[in-house]
Amino acid sequence: DADVTQTPRNRITKTGKRIMLECSQTKGHDRMYWYRQDPGLGLRLIYYSFDVKDINKGEISDGYSVSRQAQAKFSLSLESAIPNQTALYFCATSEDRVDSPLHFGNGTRLTVT
Amino acid sequence: AQSVTQLGSHVSVSEGALVLLRCNYSSSVPPYLFWYVQYPNQGLQLLLKYTSAATLVKGINGFEAEFKKSETSFHLTKPSAHMSDAAEYFCAVSRSNYKLTFGKGTLLTVNP
Repeated sequence: DADVTQTPRNRITKTGKRIMLECSQTKGHDRMYWYRQDPGLGLRLIYYSFDVKDINKGEISDGYSVSRQAQAKFSLSLESAIPNQTALYFCATSEDRVDSPLHFGNGTRLTVT
Repeated sequence: AQSVTQLGSHVSVSEGALVLLRCNYSSSVPPYLFWYVQYPNQGLQLLLKYTSAATLVKGINGFEAEFKKSETSFHLTKPSAHMSDAAEYFCAVSRSNYKLTFGKGTLLTVNP
C-alpha cells in the first residue's frame, strides 16, 4: 500500500461546485502539504500544516481551504471551483527536519468545466 | 526569497549518452538542495539531496549531482542514459523556513 494516498485519482467537476480532495498517510509524519502542478510552472505550494493545530497558507491559497482532521489526514477543498483550477494536485508529507525530503502521493487530476 | 532556475524545459539525448540537467539557485547561504523525478501518472520521487556533508552527491538509478557554491549550481548528471530515464526532473531548494521551492522542471527524452 502507498504511504501517501490521495483520493480521488481523477475528478471532473463543473464551475461553481464545491469539491474536496483527500489525503491520508501512514508514514507518521507531522508535516503535510498540498501542491498544485501546472505544465511549465512546476509545483506551487497551496497550504501546509506542521501539525494538527498549525495550518499555514502557501503561495497560491486563494480559492482553496484545508482541514487537518488528524495527524494522518489533510484534505483540500475548492469552495467554488473555476476552470483555472484545472490542474494536477499533490499531497506530500515530511519529517520535522529542514533537510527532510517530501514524500508524495500519486496526485489527483482535477478538471473544472 | 530563495528561487530555483532550471535551464532548459526540455532536454533530448540518445540512449547511452551523457545526461546533464542544469539547476541554479539563489540563496545568500548554502541551502538544502534536492532533485526529484516524476514518471508519467505518478508523484515525485526523491533522486538525491545535498545537505552539506559532501559536494558530490550520489542518488538512485546512477544519477549524481555536484554542489558548486561559487556557481550557485547543483546540476544533475548520469554518464549513460537509459530509455527508462525518460521523465520530468525537478530541482528544489529548502532553507530554514522548512518549505521546498521547486524549479519549473525539465522533461528528459531519451531517443533509441
